[in-house]
Amino acid sequence: GQQLNQSPQSMFIQEGEDVSMNCTSSSIFNTWLWYKQDPGEGPVLLIALYKAGELTSNGRLTAQFGITRKDSFLNISASIPSDVGIYFCAGQSGGATNKLIFGTGTLLAVQP
Amino acid sequence: GAVVSQHPSRVICKSGTSVKIECRSLDFQATTMFWYRQFPKQSLMLMATSNEGSKATYEQGVEKDKFLINHASLTLSTLTVTSAHPEDSSFYICSATRQGTGIQYFGAGTRLSVL
Repeated sequence: GQQLNQSPQSMFIQEGEDVSMNCTSSSIFNTWLWYKQDPGEGPVLLIALYKAGELTSNGRLTAQFGITRKDSFLNISASIPSDVGIYFCAGQSGGATNKLIFGTGTLLAVQP
Repeated sequence: GAVVSQHPSRVICKSGTSVKIECRSLDFQATTMFWYRQFPKQSLMLMATSNEGSKATYEQGVEKDKFLINHASLTLSTLTVTSAHPEDSSFYICSATRQGTGIQYFGAGTRLSVL
C-alpha cells in the first residue's frame, strides 16, 4: 500500500535537545496528523492540521501543514526521556472514507 | 483515557483455528472503523474499512474471506482471522472515526501469534 516518506528514520539524542522530523508526499492531503506509538500499543494522536500553512502547538510539540499540502513537519522542543517512541505522520485526503495514509515512522531515542 | 477499546490484547492460537478481535468505541458512535496490520519495525498498513450496516471495503491484496469484518453496531466492529497460519502472526490495530471530525482514534492493538 501507499506510504508517505518520513525522515529521519531514527534519531538518538540527549535529553533537552530539540527534535525535528518531516513527512513528504507525492499527493495532496486535506489533513495532516501526527501520532506517537509506544511499544506494543496503538498510535496516540498528538496534533491534527487542517489547513495549508497552519502551525499548531501542543505543549512542547509544534507541527506545520506545508503550503503545498504535500508535506508536514513536527518539532519537539526540550526533549525528555518519555518522548521515546515511534512518531508517525499520516495524511488524509478526505471524502467519504477518511482513510489515513501513514508515514514510515521515526524512531526517537532520548538519552537521559 | 482510552476512547477505543480493543480486545484481546494478545492471543496465541494453533494453526488452522480462527481468532476474533473486537474493537469498541467507548464514548462516541463510529459509523466507520478501520483495521490495520503492523509488522515489526514497520508502519501501519490499512487492511479494510468497516462500515456500520454494510460490507467492509478491503484494500488491494487483503483477502476478504480470510479476514472477516463485521460492523453490527455503531460502537462495535470485529475482525475474524479465519484458519490462521503462522504468516498471519502480526500486530492488528483498529481505529474508529469520531463523527464530524474525521479523526481516527486507535485501539491498543492485538498481538496475534499463530503456532
